[in-house]
Amino acid sequence: QSVLTQPPSVSGAPGQRVTISCTGSSSNIGAGYDVHWYQQLPGTAPKLLIYANNNRPSGVPGRFSGSQSGTSASLAITGLQAEDEADYYCQSFDSSLSGYVFGTGTKVTV
Amino acid sequence: QVQLVQSGAEVKEPGASVKVSCKASGYTFPSYYIHWVRQAPGQGLESMGIINPSDGSTSYAQNFQRRVTMTRDTSTPTVYMELSSLTSEDTAVYYCARVAGEGALRGGFDYWAQGTLITVSS
Repeated sequence: QSVLTQPPSVSGAPGQRVTISCTGSSSNIGAGYDVHWYQQLPGTAPKLLIYANNNRPSGVPGRFSGSQSGTSASLAITGLQAEDEADYYCQSFDSSLSGYVFGTGTKVTV
Repeated sequence: QVQLVQSGAEVKEPGASVKVSCKASGYTFPSYYIHWVRQAPGQGLESMGIINPSDGSTSYAQNFQRRVTMTRDTSTPTVYMELSSLTSEDTAVYYCARVAGEGALRGGFDYWAQGTLITVSS
């Protein structure tokens, strides 16, 4: 069971904006630990999409952005494209568990 | 270029152990922590633990503390994850991933290996 909760699915038409929420608690996101986001295409390893709440690794398009407030974080995808259809996971550190935790995952359908 | 390459798929009987290797190249091996993550079929990502390749120190997730052992060989350079007392619930793809940031214990995982499918079945 994950301590970070995401919606199971979100969908949008090409060109639209979608957001994915990641709800945690005072022992992880609320404690100030960084949130990272991953994109996982079918049959492949996850790929780092956003690190430390709102930073994009080199090569990640600018239409992906992250934010964090209180005990939650969000990933936004603007100008949705067909290639964005994938599973997305948030990740943070949890002081109660003394370890990394992942979100439940969200499937994005375009 | 940075690469992590894991050993191949395995089939194990219940009660057995499995040892998965993760060979690193293209960067200074001791400088970056390695994390292990698993993903059961159709399920989400689950953290297993982390190893510091520099000194071999480890921290395991609570769910795996009694059954997992992570080690490293700096000469090869390779990290290993051994999971014991396997049950059908351990059937999953197991990934090793590098923690971004030299010497960083907590960070995003910037490079992932291809994954290793472990099937537990009698």
